[in-house]
Amino acid sequence: NAGVTQTPKFRVLKTGQSMTLLCAQDMNHEYMYWYRQDPGMGLRLIHYSVGEGTTAKGEVPDGYNVSRLKKQNFLLGLESAAPSQTSVYFCASSYWRTAGTRTYEQYFGPGTRLTVT
Amino acid sequence: AQKVTQAQTEISVVEKEDVTLDCVYETRDTTYYLFWYKQPPSGELVFLIRRNSFDEQNEISGRYSWNFQKSTSSFNFTITASQVVDSAVYFCALDTGANSKLTFGKGITLSVRP
Repeated sequence: NAGVTQTPKFRVLKTGQSMTLLCAQDMNHEYMYWYRQDPGMGLRLIHYSVGEGTTAKGEVPDGYNVSRLKKQNFLLGLESAAPSQTSVYFCASSYWRTAGTRTYEQYFGPGTRLTVT
Repeated sequence: AQKVTQAQTEISVVEKEDVTLDCVYETRDTTYYLFWYKQPPSGELVFLIRRNSFDEQNEISGRYSWNFQKSTSSFNFTITASQVVDSAVYFCALDTGANSKLTFGKGITLSVRP
């Protein structure tokens, strides 16, 4: 199993350019997440998905869009990149949590380092 | 709203010292889950432990141990006889919602010197 993979690993954009980050998982997980990590801020949730065809906003969704057309893939789009979006982006996935019972740990991808100049 | 506070930002110890990383959480939910993740210099996030709110037993895994105290809303992590390979950023996280969303603390950078 490859686990959670992210493409690309590094990217430099100019302000106003657009790009899409791809996350893929081969663990048949229902839930997928996009986080950003900034120095001294921990990880903050951008968007998440609880299943194919569904997405929802997290803590810091502005300036990003997402799509989950296939269960194994979760795409993060930046339509018009801004320097404030310079960050390390992590994708994660987990099993479906049965209501009232246990939850599962999230498995993280290796991250994408994005610089917007 | 959920909140995780890791008041220590950076800790530096000499190899073989014991070190405790503090985590304080806030939630109004009675059912919740707490996690610790490790982020070594290579950058990936490694799951260490999950604990639910109904289980206050302390856990030990090798040199790692965790102390969960609901009375003080804390979930502290102790590394015994630290090693250079323990140098990393450690995150505490809280999960309370139906969609398993995690709220992370800001992380603690641990440096273990030889």
